[in-house]
Amino acid sequence: EVQLVESGGALVQPGGSLRLSCAYSGFSFSTYWMSWVRQAPGKGLEWVASISQDGSDKYYVDSVKGRFTISRDNAKNSLYLLMNSLRAEDTAVYYCARGGSAKGQFNCWGQGTLVTVSS
Amino acid sequence: DIQMTQSPASLSASVGDRVTITCRASQSISYSLNWYQQKPGKAPKLLIYTASTLESGVPSRFSGSGSGTDFTLTISSLQPEDFATYYCQQSYRTSYTFGQGTKLEIK
Repeated sequence: EVQLVESGGALVQPGGSLRLSCAYSGFSFSTYWMSWVRQAPGKGLEWVASISQDGSDKYYVDSVKGRFTISRDNAKNSLYLLMNSLRAEDTAVYYCARGGSAKGQFNCWGQGTLVTVSS
Repeated sequence: DIQMTQSPASLSASVGDRVTITCRASQSISYSLNWYQQKPGKAPKLLIYTASTLESGVPSRFSGSGSGTDFTLTISSLQPEDFATYYCQQSYRTSYTFGQGTKLEIK
């Protein structure tokens, strides 16, 4: 069974940092694009970042460029999101998602981890 | 960025009804359009990709159509478990963008 499990969400002060992790099981992790998608409380979905199978290509939504870094460790079957200079508007549930037949499709999702940015 | 606009924002329907949700892209995205279903407190679930291909395990009452800028999601006969929020999403180019969602409620 394919499973993605996020961790690392927490309450953090504005300007702080946090690293999210996503552990997978049940599929060949290194053959898929992986992404982070977030959802602010009561709001819609927003794509945050994507990373290629070998980690050489990375894309970000403009609002997080220069602050967030997506990475992966295929040997540890893990995806990461390092978030710096956090703002109140980064408050959201963060989902990791596996790419589908095209890199921008998301055909398997974790349960999400909540990041709250507040003083 | 490519903007995705869904309509309606909310919809009330009854079990057994046929329902259609539309999604419009601000520029042509060919067939690079996906549909997701999300229930409260749960992660989204991929229903349809590349405009009309049903994801494995998704009931055949769900169908998608369209190309270019205009797309539709149709549920042929609503079941109780279909009441949820539906999102379209373009995978044509980054930044990948979602529609604002359509909340499907029981009448």
